[in-house]
Amino acid sequence: AQSVTQLGSHVSVSEGALVLLRCNYSSSVPPYLFWYVQYPNQGLQLLLKYTSAATLVKGINGFEAEFKKSETSFHLTKPSAHMSDAAEYFCAVSDQGTGGFKTIFGAGTRLFVKA
Amino acid sequence: DADVTQTPRNRITKTGKRIMLECSQTKGHDRMYWYRQDPGLGLRLIYYSFDVKDINKGEISDGYSVSRQAQAKFSLSLESAIPNQTALYFCATSGGGQRGSYNEQFFGPGTRLTVL
Repeated sequence: AQSVTQLGSHVSVSEGALVLLRCNYSSSVPPYLFWYVQYPNQGLQLLLKYTSAATLVKGINGFEAEFKKSETSFHLTKPSAHMSDAAEYFCAVSDQGTGGFKTIFGAGTRLFVKA
Repeated sequence: DADVTQTPRNRITKTGKRIMLECSQTKGHDRMYWYRQDPGLGLRLIYYSFDVKDINKGEISDGYSVSRQAQAKFSLSLESAIPNQTALYFCATSGGGQRGSYNEQFFGPGTRLTVL
């Protein structure tokens, strides 16, 4: 069975500081990994995805994530936070297991950006 | 126009009432999903459909039912609403294409349901 753990339900950073949102996954087969972002009063939108190509994945808005198989991690980073990055971020895992391509979401991490 | 639409966007109802939430998509995707979002729990899958004739229960299907009326439409029903079904409900779709792109899900704007 697959699972996702996001460390920290809330993360607060100052504008211009490094953003680091942590995600660890469990999967018995090679996973597909995703980060989604949810802005207030909106649905989720894809930030970036790992599909077994390059281990360092670049996404929209300057975010990137690195797949580390040995650590079963897929942490999300951004070198310099902007006020507009304040949102909730969800890590998700999926694979091509029996039953199709279901996606398991983490509990989410809310990012606060201080001026 | 939005690719995935949900109606209504907000709904307040009373315990015991039947409620239907509707989802439509113009992305041409064959797979559709219903999730509920609760604070601190992330998104949990209620039902999913891989095509019109294929409907599957997710992890929290009790108290819910679905109907896939067409490839583009997937509705969620609460036969007899109860207060702990108060949540934000999302519809999502996914389709084919490049490896990995199949798993990417596209979400509607959500329906905020309150059961009193």
